[in-house]
Amino acid sequence: DTEVTQTPKHLVMGMTNKKSLKCEQHMGHRAMYWYKQKAKKPPELMFVYSYEKLSINESVPSRFSPECPNSSLLNLHLHALQPEDSALYLCASSHDLAGTATPNSEAFFGQGTRLTVV
Amino acid sequence: ELKVEQNPLFLSMQEGKNYTIYCNYSTTSDRLYWYRQDPGKSLESLFVLLSNGAVKQEGRLMASLDTKARLSTLHITAAVHDLSATYFCAVENTGNQFYFGTGTSLTVIP
Repeated sequence: DTEVTQTPKHLVMGMTNKKSLKCEQHMGHRAMYWYKQKAKKPPELMFVYSYEKLSINESVPSRFSPECPNSSLLNLHLHALQPEDSALYLCASSHDLAGTATPNSEAFFGQGTRLTVV
Repeated sequence: ELKVEQNPLFLSMQEGKNYTIYCNYSTTSDRLYWYRQDPGKSLESLFVLLSNGAVKQEGRLMASLDTKARLSTLHITAAVHDLSATYFCAVENTGNQFYFGTGTSLTVIP
């Protein structure tokens, strides 16, 4: 099973709403990621969790709040978003790579949640 | 600031032709990855390059890594329409940070 599952696939929310994006993997990966991708642009790293602890926050606004309840799940809580936050949000997972190099080190990506903020 | 640049950004090529996509990066990393993305879809892992001089091939695609030059190439041989997609290289920086290149949008014309 090399699958990363994201829900929902599509989400439309108002600027005053609170919503959550969910991500799940069962590959035993201990690093999980959130990326944001605008149309025709590369994915931008937002957050990295390593062993359920937040290890990297790429200066993301506080209206995005990540959570890693356990080693298989990753959430992204959204509150008071702006229209410019509309994008494809991608979750990914990999083996924890800090200090190691393994042949199976690539990140596996979910199908993404296409978010529209109105 | 880590920079990962690809060129060309857009590539239109005829079926049967060969071409190379270049990926330059600014950090001293020896781990580089290539991904493919179809329109509206997620990213599919193509190659994992973990050392200087690494070369991997799969079908009509071949990737290589020169860590001294901080350069990776993705070579396309005898292109077919099914290869039309956007290709991204990604560099891993100090563990668990994957930074993506600017992307190359490839269109293969019959």
